[in-house]
Amino acid sequence: DQQVKQNSPSLSVQEGRISILNCDYTNSMFDYFLWYKKYPAEGPTFLISISSIKDKNEDGRFTVFLNKSAKHLSLHIVPSQPGDSAVYFCAASVRTTDSWGKLQFGAGTQVVVTP
Amino acid sequence: NAGVTQTPKFQVLKTGQSMTLQCAQDMNHEYMSWYRQDPGMGLRLIHYSVGAGITDQGEVPNGYNVSRSTTEDFPLRLLSAAPSQTSVYFCASSYSQETYEQYFGPGTRLTVT
Repeated sequence: DQQVKQNSPSLSVQEGRISILNCDYTNSMFDYFLWYKKYPAEGPTFLISISSIKDKNEDGRFTVFLNKSAKHLSLHIVPSQPGDSAVYFCAASVRTTDSWGKLQFGAGTQVVVTP
Repeated sequence: NAGVTQTPKFQVLKTGQSMTLQCAQDMNHEYMSWYRQDPGMGLRLIHYSVGAGITDQGEVPNGYNVSRSTTEDFPLRLLSAAPSQTSVYFCASSYSQETYEQYFGPGTRLTVT
């Protein structure tokens, strides 16, 4: 049973507009969340993360929002650029000494930024 | 730094054959892991290692073996390949247990016929 869900397999957005990617999780023990970006024929690369003690984290054009009560997080990309066209994976983990590396990934959302 | 390297990039196996997927990192990372990516499933953890000589199972370990004799290398062995093991395999590493941000290799695309 997937504990991390990205219900939108694809998203198309115009260059310069905002991209909003959504992620839902079912395990209330998750306390650390990450977004990875993946280009074709490459491995995923880390984009941004957020701890459960925060509800927002920003890094340049990328902002992640966490709503713990709704078990929902979102990634906002503003403004969207053609180089942002990629697959975005949401991941979650429980930060204990036994849980390193045990990231639970969502299925990914393919973002296409059009001119 | 080459980062995380994986070989081969592509491989086709027949059912029942065995092979080893290689993974190496030159960042002196303690922690390494193997994931498989299947359509609609995201990445799933196969095995991981918290240091040389220490390995443990992830979410989908059946049919795979690992060992970690050095900090740099973390090979994944398929003992008797099955069509269900057709997937893209990613190796990842990170510096410490406090860092959940993992560095991924470019992947190996495996097809089992």
